[in-house]
Amino acid sequence: EAGVAQSPRYKIIEKRQSVAFWCNPISGHATLYWYQQILGQGPKLLIQFQNNGVVDDSQLPKDRFSAERLKGVDSTLKIQPAKLEDSAVYLCASSSPRDRGKGYTFGSGTRLTVV
Amino acid sequence: KQEVTQIPAALSVPEGENLVLNCSFTDSAIYNLQWFRQDPGKGLTSLLLIQSSQREQTSGRLNASLDKSSGRSTLYIAASQPGDSATYLCAVGDNYGQNFVFGPGTRLSVLP
Repeated sequence: EAGVAQSPRYKIIEKRQSVAFWCNPISGHATLYWYQQILGQGPKLLIQFQNNGVVDDSQLPKDRFSAERLKGVDSTLKIQPAKLEDSAVYLCASSSPRDRGKGYTFGSGTRLTVV
Repeated sequence: KQEVTQIPAALSVPEGENLVLNCSFTDSAIYNLQWFRQDPGKGLTSLLLIQSSQREQTSGRLNASLDKSSGRSTLYIAASQPGDSATYLCAVGDNYGQNFVFGPGTRLSVLP
């Protein structure tokens, strides 16, 4: 079984620029999550999708962050414009409601540095 | 709102020691609890998943226990090795098992 794929692996941008991250979940996993992990902290949920619908985006800074999951498969997370405090690792995870006892599978993450 | 804490924040031990990492959560109405390992600059690797009806899970030198009523889980690592050096995170699954809240992690260093 292929894992959760994320790209790019690293990204360095200047503040006020825009950036986009891509995630391809495990095949058949209807639930997809984006987490933000600031250095030294645990991951914080930004947004949760069930198929292509948003389940929870209460902690997503909607003035600058947006996410979509077209066709209920791949997802993109965008930041526009970026701020210095957005420097973090952005993690994508997926799970299946049918296998909700099996927990999450995470991708390798995208490390964003805003300078 | 579920809150998860982990103690200690950092731990340094000599190779070969047995050690315990602690995770506490405020809302006992959980579906499951998952322990992850994170190497520097990398994503999260699942170590053990305990369902709310279980008391413990074992995988090799790792043993995780769960006391739901007291809101605690421990990860026991036997005969630690330098390769165990990483950050260990616990994540508590809500009552539907579809949303996890993470603790801040324990950074472990095992010295040769």
